[in-house]
This record gives sequence, C-alpha cells and structure tokens, in this order.
Amino acid sequence: SSELTQDPAVSVALGQTVRITCQGDSLRNYFASWYQQKPGQAPILVIYNKDIRPSGIPDRFSGSSSGNTASLTITGAQTEDEADYYCNSRDRFGNHLLFGGGTRLTVL
Amino acid sequence: QVQLRESGPGLVKPSETLSLTCTVSGGSISSSEYYWGWIRQPPGKGLEWIGSIYFTGSTHSHPSLKSRVTISADTSKNQFSLNLNSVTAADTAVYYCARHVVTSGWFLPDFWGQGTLVTVSS
Repeated sequence: SSELTQDPAVSVALGQTVRITCQGDSLRNYFASWYQQKPGQAPILVIYNKDIRPSGIPDRFSGSSSGNTASLTITGAQTEDEADYYCNSRDRFGNHLLFGGGTRLTVL
Repeated sequence: QVQLRESGPGLVKPSETLSLTCTVSGGSISSSEYYWGWIRQPPGKGLEWIGSIYFTGSTHSHPSLKSRVTISADTSKNQFSLNLNSVTAADTAVYYCARHVVTSGWFLPDFWGQGTLVTVSS
C-alpha cells in the first residue's frame, strides 16, 4: 500500500504518556515526520527524520520507528497538546509525499 | 523568520482554473536548502500534499493531481504559484503554501503559511 494509516482518535489523561502511531509500507525505507495542527491554525512540524525535534518544540515530544510503524510519543501530555497530529513520509516508491489521515488527541 | 502568505481568489467556478500565489519574505526561494510547495485540506478532513518546486525549476507533484497541476516560481518577486485546472467541488479546501526543507536526500514541509480557503462553486 502507498498509504499511511493512523488511528482517528486517541485520548490521554493529563500528565500521562501517549503514543500516536502511523503505519505504512514506505516507513520501512523512509523517515517519518509529524505535524501538530490546532483548530483554525496551520500545521507545525514537531518531529522530522524519525526522531529530530525542530527548535522550540518541547522535549516531551519524541519520535521512533520500527518496521512499518512510526510513532510519536508525548511524555507528560499537557492541555495545550490537544490537537490533530499528522504523520508524513515518502510513498513507497520515493516519488512523492504522503500524509496519514490524522489522529485527534484529547487530553482528559 | 520566514513568512509565507497565500493570495488568490476565494471562489472559483467548476471547470475553471484555481490560481494561487505564495509570497515569501524573510528567506529566498532561490536557496538550495529548500523546495517550496503546496498542501491542501478539505473542510473537516486531512492534509493532502499537492506538489513542490526547487530553485532549479524541478517540480514534483502528487500522482492523483499531476495531470491538472502546474507549479511555477518567480525568483524576481520571491513568489511561487499553483495552478489547478478543471476544478470540481472536490477541490474545495484550505490551500497552504509551505517551505520544504531538503534533508536526507529528499524534502519535507517545515514551515507553513496560514492558508487560504478556496471554494469551488457556481
């Protein structure tokens, strides 16, 4: 498959740890990046090249990958982390970019 | 700090061409460090990458849109543009322009404009 698959929704208790996953064949060969999007706002990059945080992104955000699955982990989730999260990578042939369908994170 | 601003009509008629321009400030689209591209998001739905352009003029685009998409750049104005022809209601979306950083032999969107809603309707 040339798609990236994400769970539609995930919830986490305030201060707890949550993992958001992204599955796809292309992830066996190419890095994933992750974006956070809050309502009415443009996405921002939170993780790229599997596990690198851009400047200004809190260190509670981390990335990892194994086989065909990439993961975004938030350790100690905060209320401001409530948002939609999208994974992104190359398609399995490396010709264009793909986004996952997005995961809505609710912080309880 | 780079800034990207989308501009263009907010309403396009079916079968016509959607045309948007992204004006970049605080950075040069002639830089070898970046591609410049477009991503869209239908209302209430997820993100879809449309395509991108490099300072050499090299372009990449999503296969599902490739036959309808043209991405071009005007380095003298530090702008790049999107043309999407033969639009239908399915092309109604918020359109974002985005800087794409070159990394690990490829590129990925690392900084986005605020987006502009384009509605396709007669």
